[in-house]
Amino acid sequence: DSGVTQTPKHLITATGQRVTLRCSPRSGDLSVYWYQQSLDQGLQFLIQYYNGEERAKGNILERFSAQQFPDLHSELNLSSLELGDSALYFCASSRTGGEKLFFGSGTQLSVL
Amino acid sequence: EDKVVQSPLSLVVHEGDTVTLNCSYEVTNFRSLLWYKQEKKAPTFLFMLTSSGIEKKSGRLSSILDKKELSSILNITATQTGDSAIYLCAVPTSGSRLTFGEGTQLTVNP
Repeated sequence: DSGVTQTPKHLITATGQRVTLRCSPRSGDLSVYWYQQSLDQGLQFLIQYYNGEERAKGNILERFSAQQFPDLHSELNLSSLELGDSALYFCASSRTGGEKLFFGSGTQLSVL
Repeated sequence: EDKVVQSPLSLVVHEGDTVTLNCSYEVTNFRSLLWYKQEKKAPTFLFMLTSSGIEKKSGRLSSILDKKELSSILNITATQTGDSAIYLCAVPTSGSRLTFGEGTQLTVNP
């Protein structure tokens, strides 16, 4: 168990809908990362937060947004969902934004 | 553009075989290279290699960093069915994000 908690584990929804994925980092970790993993693309970096502030942005679609709250948990919001958004979404955390990341077990999103 | 490339993409071996997985990278300001193992869901950390720690070993797994060749290998000796997983190589790029390779899907048959 990495200590990173993600909910829900599975999510099935329809095109055009909006969903929220939640992540609680390891105790004491200030930095949270979101990654998307689809079959044909591997692990793609979406966005990083550090102590409530956005630190880095990857290839995150405009339909997607995230935030990190004062208690350091983070949420990833996905809207106007498309079939192609079906993927495994991982949250990871690290102490200070360093290199060794600890991953949650992911949210499997299926858009039908 | 920063790039991490792994090979082979998939590998099928028999229990007891030794395997070597490859990772090459092109990044600016290289600091470290990390290996992760992904079974079913969450990637779990295996090794981190840096300029001051170019070789790591844990049980049957070992890894070496070749800074001259901009690459790393992950060796697994006496493979077991429990070693079946996706092995991911990653390098920190653009700050502290990790850029991952596509991974090597290893299948160990009994």
